[in-house]
Amino acid sequence: AQSVTQLGSHVSVSEGALVLLRCNYSSSVPPYLFWYVQYPNQGLQLLLKYTSAATLVKGINGFEAEFKKSETSFHLTKPSAHMSDAAEYFCAVRANFGNEKITFGTGTRLTIIP
Amino acid sequence: DTEVTQTPKHLVMGMTNKKSLKCEQHMGHRAMYWYKQKAKKPPELMFVYSYEKLSINESVPSRFSPECPNSSLLNLHLHALQPEDSALYLCASSQGAPFARGPSSPLHFGNGTRLTVT
Repeated sequence: AQSVTQLGSHVSVSEGALVLLRCNYSSSVPPYLFWYVQYPNQGLQLLLKYTSAATLVKGINGFEAEFKKSETSFHLTKPSAHMSDAAEYFCAVRANFGNEKITFGTGTRLTIIP
Repeated sequence: DTEVTQTPKHLVMGMTNKKSLKCEQHMGHRAMYWYKQKAKKPPELMFVYSYEKLSINESVPSRFSPECPNSSLLNLHLHALQPEDSALYLCASSQGAPFARGPSSPLHFGNGTRLTVT
């Protein structure tokens, strides 16, 4: 079984500041990891995914995440926050074999302060 | 723009009504999903179709009835719902078998139907 824990249900950063959203995973087998973003009144959109090809993964909209096996973490970062980054962010995990379901974290709401 | 289209965007229905939610994708994906999302919560899996056959039912009450007429369409028929069923209903698709390994495994979501049961 696998799970993800997102630390901080709400994160506020100033425009132009570093964005750091934390995600720790638990998996008995090597995982696939994902970050999704959900803007108000919309569905979820894939930001980036880790599939074991490279530990530093670059995604859309300037976001990136680093897979750290020793820390069981997959934190999402962006060097400079933009007002349009305000949204709900979900970390997700699934096993990299078989047909295991994707498990979502509880989400982190990112607020950007002008 | 999303490649998974859901209609309607909003739906208000009484507890005795029968309504349907529709989902369409033209990406050639063979797995399609229904998720339910309550406010400030992550999506919860309801049903999964693989190659037009129901492969996963997450013990969803029978007042929700899914249907997959063809590889591009997915419906969710609603009957005798309860107010607690009010939520955002999301459709998603993925390439190949449900939750398959590899780069094709990510889910592609529609923008959802916001359902209110009165």
